[in-house]
Amino acid sequence: QQQVKQSPQSLIVQKGGISIINCAYENTAFDYFPWYQQFPGKGPALLIAIRPDVSEKKEGRFTISFNKSAKQFSLHIMDSQPGDSATYFCAASTGNQFYFGTGTSLTVIP
Amino acid sequence: DAGVIQSPRHEVTEMGQEVTLRCKPISGHDYLFWYRQTMMRGLELLIYFNNNVPIDDSGMPEDRFSAKMPNASFSTLKIQPSEPRDSAVYFCASSLGWEGSYNEQFFGPGTRLTVL
Repeated sequence: QQQVKQSPQSLIVQKGGISIINCAYENTAFDYFPWYQQFPGKGPALLIAIRPDVSEKKEGRFTISFNKSAKQFSLHIMDSQPGDSATYFCAASTGNQFYFGTGTSLTVIP
Repeated sequence: DAGVIQSPRHEVTEMGQEVTLRCKPISGHDYLFWYRQTMMRGLELLIYFNNNVPIDDSGMPEDRFSAKMPNASFSTLKIQPSEPRDSAVYFCASSLGWEGSYNEQFFGPGTRLTVL
């Protein structure tokens, strides 16, 4: 059973546009929700993370929106750039449990 | 720190051969994770260690897979015998801990395994 469901599987956005990736979870015990970014040939790296006691966290062009009641969270990339083209993974964790989503391949067209 | 170090970066072997992947975690990190990444299944957690002790190996696909961590600075993932369906990228990651669940994992560059 997939603990974290991620969509879409792939996304193509024009340069300057907004990229939105969504994730949903079931386990209300999750208390940490990171997003990882992976470039081809590299390992994933932490991009931004949020705790469930806030509804939004922004770091530069990257924003996490968190809806605790709906058990959903999303990554928004504003003013998307070709350099943002990568695979993005959401994740959720509590205690010693850590689950990744299936990943979204983002392509930003110049 | 050099980050998480994995070797080899690429491995090509024939079915039935033994394969050993190696990982050096970031110094001071108490947790070490082994992941497998494929197009079909995404990132799968195979096993993780805390202070060199295996905590959860429920993700290890078969008895052909084994992992060890003889000391805080070294871990191996072994596949014996290897099969073509084991072809994937294997990542090692380490983290400081699970304090308050704020457990950023630092990933190595991965080992691309091809079993012919």
